[in-house]
Amino acid sequence: NAGVMQNPRHLVRRRGQEARLRCSPMKGHSHVYWYRQLPEEGLKFMVYLQKENIIDESGMPKERFSAEFPKEGPSILRIQQVVRGDSAAYFCASSSQGFSQETQYFGPGTRLLVL
Amino acid sequence: GNSVTQMEGPVTLSEEAFLTINCTYTATGYPSLFWYVQYPGEGLQLLLKATKADDKGSNKGFEATYRKETTSFHLEKGSVQVSDSAVYFCALSLRGNMLTFGGGTRLMVKP
Repeated sequence: NAGVMQNPRHLVRRRGQEARLRCSPMKGHSHVYWYRQLPEEGLKFMVYLQKENIIDESGMPKERFSAEFPKEGPSILRIQQVVRGDSAAYFCASSSQGFSQETQYFGPGTRLLVL
Repeated sequence: GNSVTQMEGPVTLSEEAFLTINCTYTATGYPSLFWYVQYPGEGLQLLLKATKADDKGSNKGFEATYRKETTSFHLEKGSVQVSDSAVYFCALSLRGNMLTFGGGTRLMVKP
């Protein structure tokens, strides 16, 4: 049973470019969460999605960031016009039912470097 | 709002020493509590969890007890190994299931 997959593992962008991060949840999981980890810090929640729905985006910056989880295919976190402060590790997690006591399974992360 | 505070690292121990990493939380309600571990360059792996007061989570020699009266979930291990060197994150989950993490504690175990 494959775990949570993320790609790319490493992404380098110049300021002003777009970054697209992909996450495929574990088989049978329909709940996806995105977290950001700045250097030497803990993880901060960004957005929670179910298939075709954004459930909670309270942690998402208001501008330049968007997320989707289409009916078919992976979840996408999109960052437009990247700036140096976007450099971070972005982790995706998934769960099967979205209950608070459930374990979230994390992917290996995408490390974004903005030059 | 909800928050998690854990002791700052790094924590440096010799092999076979006793480990305690303190974690306290603030939450509006009764959260589920988790410890995750992150090895260099990797994602987070669940180490253990507890979903109600007085529950004890345990795994691989690590354990933590959900203490509602002190709002704490301290991580302990009786005898650490070099392979336990990693960053440990305490986290809580409430309605909506998003995790709120502490800042992480880096553990370094020397042979």
